[in-house]
Amino acid sequence: DQQVKQNSPSLSVQEGRISILNCDYTNSMFDYFLWYKKYPAEGPTFLISISSIKDKNEDGRFTVFLNKSAKHLSLHIVPSQPGDSAVYFCAVSSTGNQFYFGTGTSLTVIP
Amino acid sequence: DTAVSQTPKYLVTQMGNDKSIKCEQNLGHDTMYWYKQDSKKFLKIMFSYNNKELIINETVPNRFSPKSPDKAHLNLHINSLELGDSAVYFCASSFRGTFNTEAFFGQGTRLTVV
Repeated sequence: DQQVKQNSPSLSVQEGRISILNCDYTNSMFDYFLWYKKYPAEGPTFLISISSIKDKNEDGRFTVFLNKSAKHLSLHIVPSQPGDSAVYFCAVSSTGNQFYFGTGTSLTVIP
Repeated sequence: DTAVSQTPKYLVTQMGNDKSIKCEQNLGHDTMYWYKQDSKKFLKIMFSYNNKELIINETVPNRFSPKSPDKAHLNLHINSLELGDSAVYFCASSFRGTFNTEAFFGQGTRLTVV
């Protein structure tokens, strides 16, 4: 039983447009939410995070939104660049005790 | 000065063999993990060690035995390898019980059982 679901396995976006990646989780006990980026043949690298006390966190072109009532978070990338093409994993945690990951969304940014 | 390093990066072996994957972190973290990414790309937790003690064992066959000689190392030994063990195995580390902490990953070990 998956704690985290990313229902879109892939997404294609034109360069310069916004990319929106979505993630749903099951347990309201989770209090820390993360996005990781993964290139082929590499490990996931941390991208951005948000704690449960916030509903938005922004870091440059990347913004994560959290909707606790819907148990939903999203990652916005704007403007999207070809170098953003990668697999994005959503992860959830409860006070750093364990990290549960989704299945990933493969983003392709078309030049 | 890689933060989390695991070896080997690729491992091809025959069914029935025993193999080990090594992992080391130099971040001073107290918790280390093994994740398995199968053909469906799902990153699934296998084990978690905190200060050399096993804290999570997620229904993994007992052919898989993690060993943590110290909190900077977590090795994974697999006995009697099966075809279904083929996957990418990721080691990771973090601080446990600390709010707003993230996990750092190694580059992965692609295990192919033939």
